[in-house]
Amino acid sequence: DIQMTQSPSSLSASVRDRVTVTCRASQSISNYLNWFQQKPGKAPKLLIYAASNLQIGVPSRFSGSGSGTDFTLTISSLQPEDFATYYCQQTYSPPWTFGQGTRVEIK
Amino acid sequence: QVQLQESGPGLVKPSQTLSLTCTVSGRSISRGHYFWTWVRQPAGKGLEWIGRIFTNGSTTYNPSLKSRVTISLDTSKNHFSLKLSSVTATDTAVYYCARDRVTYYYGSEHDALDFWGQGTMVTVSS
Repeated sequence: DIQMTQSPSSLSASVRDRVTVTCRASQSISNYLNWFQQKPGKAPKLLIYAASNLQIGVPSRFSGSGSGTDFTLTISSLQPEDFATYYCQQTYSPPWTFGQGTRVEIK
Repeated sequence: QVQLQESGPGLVKPSQTLSLTCTVSGRSISRGHYFWTWVRQPAGKGLEWIGRIFTNGSTTYNPSLKSRVTISLDTSKNHFSLKLSSVTATDTAVYYCARDRVTYYYGSEHDALDFWGQGTMVTVSS
């Protein structure tokens, strides 16, 4: 299985901060990488697919980049509703695997 | 708008079979280039992909669960199902169903779980 490792595991940030979450794959996955946001008690929500494509309806402050083994999710100006846990997921080779999550908390 | 809703027992005894159904509304599960997927999440932990079924009935399972998992489609009821046999306490989790959308991007197929059910908690306990 392809292992996905996110960093940091958690971070504290303030509203309007720029936030970056990284995800590293244990082997090259080209751009087969998705990002999800999950709030407590809710299902994950797709933010970014194919590494850099914004899902319909997702605010443009979210962006994704990267290829190969290293990927980044950036929130350009953190909003109150963005405090959540973020997961990366590879879809290069089954079984699809997720990172362990990055919790974004209020400073 | 596609909607998915999981249903099934919230409590299963050890060694028995966990059975869940995901009812889909807003789209026929037998049409389009979609896979219908199950994902689970133990309390306070990360996400684990269980497996998926294509509209033609072909399946792919997580090897870690493959010997115990069956995913099936019922197009007449527009739902798909998960069966997980010989459960233990480690199978206790929130189980989600989701749609896996295949998008063609620069000549390659990319999967993305774009619609999810709300999740259903399943506890394995005697």
